[in-house]
Amino acid sequence: GAVVSQHPSRVICKSGTSVKIECRSLDFQATTMFWYRQFPKKSLMLMATSNEGSKATYEQGVEKDKFLINHASLTLSTLTVTSAHPEDSSFYICSARARGETQYFGPGTRLLVL
Amino acid sequence: GENVEQHPSTLSVQEGDSAVIKCTYSDSASNYFPWYKQELGKGPQLIIDIRSNVGEKKDQRIAVTLNKTAKHFSLHITETQPEDSAVYFCAARIRGGADGLTFGKGTHLIIQP
Repeated sequence: GAVVSQHPSRVICKSGTSVKIECRSLDFQATTMFWYRQFPKKSLMLMATSNEGSKATYEQGVEKDKFLINHASLTLSTLTVTSAHPEDSSFYICSARARGETQYFGPGTRLLVL
Repeated sequence: GENVEQHPSTLSVQEGDSAVIKCTYSDSASNYFPWYKQELGKGPQLIIDIRSNVGEKKDQRIAVTLNKTAKHFSLHITETQPEDSAVYFCAARIRGGADGLTFGKGTHLIIQP
């Protein structure tokens, strides 16, 4: 199956700093990439959808200035959490989809903001 | 928008028995229904999916059934093994749409040895 990687797998940062998470589709070109957030023992919450070369579409309640998404190429999308606060601590998961239906998920990035 | 309900939230079965997880969806336009398995600290892994032009799909010990009229779909795992223990999520979306998946709340499947 298709492989999606994320980097870093975990990150600890100080409050007020920014953190960038990378999502890569390793063996296919992803026309669309998605960013999800997951709280402990909870389901995945879609944050935004991004298509290569265009602006991301954010879900209601997700601050686009706080969660900056860049989909620079068909294999790379980045999520930058700006001015991070403790409440931003969470498990962030990206997924990628080619022209078909199947959505492949990355392994996730655990963010802890102190 | 789409709403997906998933039951049960926790399911404990004896090793070797079958497990069934059920989901319902609200948007009749949804026509793609994947199931994901998530182990602790990892991303979800696709285990099986079904499109609305079929009623059942099977892959070894895993099967999914879909009832479009009732708007529900189920995951069936037979001959459960300890490595089946994980959280399982159902999801739904509209084929051809630009939207991401709408997930159920997950089922924690526990296989008792």
